[in-house]
Amino acid sequence: GAVVSQHPSWVICKSGTSVKIECRSLDFQATTMFWYRQFPKQSLMLMATSNEGSKATYEQGVEKDKFLINHASLTLSTLTVTSAHPEDSSFYICSAIGQGDQPQHFGDGTRLSIL
Amino acid sequence: AQKITQTQPGMFVQEKEAVTLDCTYDTSDPSYGLFWYKQPSSGEMIFLIYQGSYDQQNATEGRYSLNFQKARKSANLVISASQLGDSAMYFCAMREGTGGFKTIFGAGTRLFVKA
Repeated sequence: GAVVSQHPSWVICKSGTSVKIECRSLDFQATTMFWYRQFPKQSLMLMATSNEGSKATYEQGVEKDKFLINHASLTLSTLTVTSAHPEDSSFYICSAIGQGDQPQHFGDGTRLSIL
Repeated sequence: AQKITQTQPGMFVQEKEAVTLDCTYDTSDPSYGLFWYKQPSSGEMIFLIYQGSYDQQNATEGRYSLNFQKARKSANLVISASQLGDSAMYFCAMREGTGGFKTIFGAGTRLFVKA
């Protein structure tokens, strides 16, 4: 089955640090990747949709300058949380879709804790 | 606008019994897909089952079946012969035919399987 690898799985860092999270599709070409944020005991909230080679489409209320998304190749998308603060602490999950694929394939998520 | 509703925050089921998790949706797009995902406490999202809006038959995958009632706009997940390992959060999701594969998720239902 399709595999999406997300790295790192857990990050703890100081306030003001920028953090980069990688999302890779290991055995298929991901034409579209998604980034979600999930607060404890809540649902997934879509942050942005990224297509290879083009700018990401951000959902309303998501700060583009805060959450930088790059989808440079068909197998890699990155989310950079710039100048992270404690309120950015959350569980971030990426997912990917290949051409003609039906379900999204999710990474295992990244738990981000900002001290 | 598309919308997904899961009205059961938590459900209990006895091991080996069947359980139904409710999901209703709202969309004006005649073409859409419905998904169920399982999220254990470890956080990863596991795809369970998919139903297309034009599918005539209800989807089944092993112990999972989707009770698709198009006129009522419901897509309930039925888990037969519950196992202790089924204890997790379950999310219903919908993707419209238009809109670039954007998928929205319901609030989720936490299932507890009792021994």
